[in-house]
Amino acid sequence: AQSVTQPDIHITVSEGASLELRCNYSYGATPYLFWYVQSPGQGLQLLLKYFSGDTLVQGIKGFEAEFKRSQSSFNLRKPSVHWSDAAEYFCAVGTNAGKSTFGDGTTLTVKP
Amino acid sequence: ETGVTQTPRHLVMGMTNKKSLKCEQHLGHNAMYWYKQSAKKPLELMFVYSLEERVENNSVPSRFSPECPNSSHLFLHLHTLQPEDSALYLCASSQDGGGGSGANVLTFGAGSRLTVL
Repeated sequence: AQSVTQPDIHITVSEGASLELRCNYSYGATPYLFWYVQSPGQGLQLLLKYFSGDTLVQGIKGFEAEFKRSQSSFNLRKPSVHWSDAAEYFCAVGTNAGKSTFGDGTTLTVKP
Repeated sequence: ETGVTQTPRHLVMGMTNKKSLKCEQHLGHNAMYWYKQSAKKPLELMFVYSLEERVENNSVPSRFSPECPNSSHLFLHLHTLQPEDSALYLCASSQDGGGGSGANVLTFGAGSRLTVL
């Protein structure tokens, strides 16, 4: 069975600073990989996805993520964080069976 | 209206009540899902419907009863719930439920916050 680990429960960064959220997955085949964001009181919104091809994927709101097969990682990055980026971020791995497994989430706080 | 709409957004019920959560998607998707999101727990998949047939039931207690009358609507009927059932219930849809990339890209609603007293 697949699994996802987000090692950081909570991250605080200053506005304008760079951001990297870590995600490690476990799956026997090439996975489908996703990052979702959840603002308070809202559902999850897809930020970006990786299916195949270029291992650096661009998403909405200036986010990008890099798939590293050798490290089983799919870390999310943003060069300059805005106060509106404060939210909870979920990494997910999907399979050919159509099942997505989510990590526990990382809460991002942005300091002014 | 576009996307995935969930009603009600907030619901408070006693343990002996019967209530229902409703989800409607306007995306032309063929698969719909119920997830439970509790504090300090990962997202839990409860049910999956593909083309109105239930294809997944993750050992969910019978006090939760899903219904999918057509590919655009999904209900979660609730009865004799317990306080530990208090959570955010998220509905999602995907292009298809049969597997592959189309089944994995989920569009979520804003959720129904349920409190059981």
